[in-house]
Amino acid sequence: DGGITQSPKYLFRKEGQNVTLSCEQNLNHDAMYWYRQDPGQGLRLIYYSQIVNDFQKGDIAEGYSVSREKKESFPLTVTSAQKNPTAFYLCASTVLAGVLTGELFFGEGSRLTVL
Amino acid sequence: AQKITQTQPGMFVQEKEAVTLDCTYDTSDQSYGLFWYKQPSSGEMIFLIYQGSYDEQNATEGRYSLNFQKARKSANLVISASQLGDSAMYFCAMREAASGGSYIPTFGRGTSLIVHP
Repeated sequence: DGGITQSPKYLFRKEGQNVTLSCEQNLNHDAMYWYRQDPGQGLRLIYYSQIVNDFQKGDIAEGYSVSREKKESFPLTVTSAQKNPTAFYLCASTVLAGVLTGELFFGEGSRLTVL
Repeated sequence: AQKITQTQPGMFVQEKEAVTLDCTYDTSDQSYGLFWYKQPSSGEMIFLIYQGSYDEQNATEGRYSLNFQKARKSANLVISASQLGDSAMYFCAMREAASGGSYIPTFGRGTSLIVHP
């Protein structure tokens, strides 16, 4: 079955450590997104990528980095520069970024806790 | 200013009754898309329904319908015959044009729906 796989589902990190969240899709989608979800805040866009080897900052990119070396993969690194990284992170994809009607397909999310 | 406003943090409904979840949006674009997603306690987001800005008819998908009032910039979700499994967070989202020819999805803060037996 096609879908998006995020790993790990739960992650604990000490302050000052970088961590990388994995996102893999087998839907052959061009566009991929990373969102951060905090209670009462909804989903806020961190980074997005329309095609391989290209990505753009979203609304809250500071303290995060991404890469898009393969169409299927869009990993997110939470760096030590991110002041409040404890949150639920959702990866999503859609067929094409330039198509208005395409809905997002989401992974199951990764919950990061900083100790 | 928020592009998507969901004014109801929480809603309660009796099983088998209908419920309306409010969503207003802000855009100066003529071409945009409106979406509703459901997030159960498991965390995964599930697409429910889509409405295009040029669609004249309100979208419907089974028990879900979208009450689209373009002049008021509102896109309320109506769930008919609520079921216990409808208890979840519901998010309204909009795709509008961004730089580079892409349509970036923006989400509201969500409404928590609890269905009582």
